[in-house]
Amino acid sequence: KAGVTQTPRYLIKTRGQQVTLSCSPISGHRSVSWYQQTPGQGLQFLFEYFSETQRNKGNFPGRFSGRQFSNSRSEMNVSTLELGDSALYLCASGPGTSGYNEQFFGPGTRLTVL
Amino acid sequence: AQSVTQLDSQVPVFEEAPVELRCNYSSSVSVYLFWYVQYPNQGLQLLLKYLSGSTLVKGINGFEAEFNKSQTSFHLRKPSVHISDTAEYFCAVSEWTGGFKTIFGAGTRLFVKA
Repeated sequence: KAGVTQTPRYLIKTRGQQVTLSCSPISGHRSVSWYQQTPGQGLQFLFEYFSETQRNKGNFPGRFSGRQFSNSRSEMNVSTLELGDSALYLCASGPGTSGYNEQFFGPGTRLTVL
Repeated sequence: AQSVTQLDSQVPVFEEAPVELRCNYSSSVSVYLFWYVQYPNQGLQLLLKYLSGSTLVKGINGFEAEFNKSQTSFHLRKPSVHISDTAEYFCAVSEWTGGFKTIFGAGTRLFVKA
């Protein structure tokens, strides 16, 4: 079974621009979660999608949004980029039917905002 | 609200020595506990998880963890480490509220020296 894939792996943007990151979950997984990882803040939960619906959301401003398609692929969008948005963005997929389901992580997209 | 505290940011240890990485959590509801490992430039990989039942949980690569409800701890241990265990380790708590939300600790960098 193919693992979780994220594209692109690396991205460089400038302040004020917007960016879209993509995540393809493991086949059969209906839940996709997004996390932001920075040296200062660690891993922070952004949101979780299940069957095209956002089920849970972390404490991030509205500039961060996401969506999930019928094939469970997910995209995350960040508008009006700020320097502090530079981070590794990790996507994780899982069955999503219970809190004890394991999450399978992708390699991440490293976003640098200049 | 959930929170996870990893008590050591870095743990240096010699090869073949035992190691314990400490994790304390707080939550107002029943939670599921996880340990993940992150190797450089990679996503996270599940080491082990506690759902219920036996408080001693065995995982991959010879790691084990003990759940202590009274102390709200979930410490990770390995009796003999290898150079290849050098990585960052994350303790995580997942809470199910109709959708799940996983909160990660700040991480502990394990550095195994020859």
